[in-house]
Amino acid sequence: TQLLEQSPQFLSIQEGENLTVYCNSSSVFSSLQWYRQEPGEGPVLLVTVVTGGEVKKLKRLTFQFGDARKDSSLHITAAQPGDTGLYLCAGGDYKLSFGAGTTVTVRA
Amino acid sequence: DAGVTQSPTHLIKTRGQQVTLRCSPISGHKSVSWYQQVLGQGPQFIFQYYEKEERGRGNFPDRFSARQFPNYSSELNVNALLLGDSALYLCASTDWAYNEQFFGPGTRLTVL
Repeated sequence: TQLLEQSPQFLSIQEGENLTVYCNSSSVFSSLQWYRQEPGEGPVLLVTVVTGGEVKKLKRLTFQFGDARKDSSLHITAAQPGDTGLYLCAGGDYKLSFGAGTTVTVRA
Repeated sequence: DAGVTQSPTHLIKTRGQQVTLRCSPISGHKSVSWYQQVLGQGPQFIFQYYEKEERGRGNFPDRFSARQFPNYSSELNVNALLLGDSALYLCASTDWAYNEQFFGPGTRLTVL
């Protein structure tokens, strides 16, 4: 089983601040996905990173895949209350392994 | 286009009962996966079906079973329910072109 560890577990910031969420593993992944999940709903796919060292930007969100393809990070610039949610990283082929998630709260 | 659909949205059962959850994948997707998410944790893989064949199974007891139909929809069955089976059950549909999984809204199962 490939394990993914996310940090921090909880993050509470003021609107307009920046934040970074980390996803680490001792295993190499062919790709990693980032999802956002709101209470009582299913995870929504944000991005897939495939190439070591890859950086992808989605508006105010920046995703990075480590050179060794064992870790990834999600950086949000100028966070807004709408960014509040559970952020999950996941890796694997047909059998996704998920981290425990980072709960992000952005206060207005 | 419709996304992944799941039914029912909520379900309450008592210990020892059996439950069936249903999922329809995104049109054109032939693969369905099932995950269990307990409160405070990330989803855990239960099964994947592709073209009606079981492709993989996670670390779950034999009380959990699933099947996929010719129209690619799927059912997850759980027998002899335990309190610990209370969770959000998620179905995901796979786009193999990009190896990406898209999740439905889930079924919230409560076992009393």
